[in-house]
Amino acid sequence: GENVEQHPSTLSVQEGDSAVIKCTYSDSASNYFPWYKQELGKRPQLIIDIRSNVGEKKDQRIAVTLNKTAKHFSLHITETQPEDSAVYFCAASIEGGATNKLIFGTGTLLAVQP
Amino acid sequence: DSGVTQTPKHLITATGQRVTLRCSPRSGDLSVYWYQQSLDQGLQFLIQYYNGEERAKGNILERFSAQQFPDLHSELNLSSLELGDSALYFCASSVVPGKGYTFGSGTRLTVV
Repeated sequence: GENVEQHPSTLSVQEGDSAVIKCTYSDSASNYFPWYKQELGKRPQLIIDIRSNVGEKKDQRIAVTLNKTAKHFSLHITETQPEDSAVYFCAASIEGGATNKLIFGTGTLLAVQP
Repeated sequence: DSGVTQTPKHLITATGQRVTLRCSPRSGDLSVYWYQQSLDQGLQFLIQYYNGEERAKGNILERFSAQQFPDLHSELNLSSLELGDSALYFCASSVVPGKGYTFGSGTRLTVV
């Protein structure tokens, strides 16, 4: 089955710096890669996603890149702010597959220091 | 409000007991997924239902079971509870299986 590895497990940056979180997936059939942000004690919330027919997607300070050949995808946050502090999860699935579910990485705790 | 409703929000129970967690998906969503999140852990997939049928199983213990009813709400039953079952249990729903989905606020289960 699908396995998603995520690095680093913790990341501390200064406010205004960039943060990069990387994930690797195992199932080459995976074609949908969302990223979720989870604040302490709250539900994970979708922040951005990318499909396998696209190499990069941006939404304001957040961008995601996908390398299908290497089965890698990454989250880039620029100009970080204290409110970006949270746990970030990457995930992979086969979109539209009747029996498929999102498999999540182990999470990255991002701390943005003021 | 995400549109996915989970009840109860908090549950404290003793070892050996049985509890039922409930999830109502967003209107129109046919797929329901259950995840377990232990302290400082990631999101472990338990089970998926689609329009009343079980579609996929993950790391779900035999002591746990789930079902999805005709009105599409789902229940996760946890029995013979152990201390290690203490966790946040999330339900999520989606229109299309595998597409990015919406999580409920979770049920925090504490087994004492």
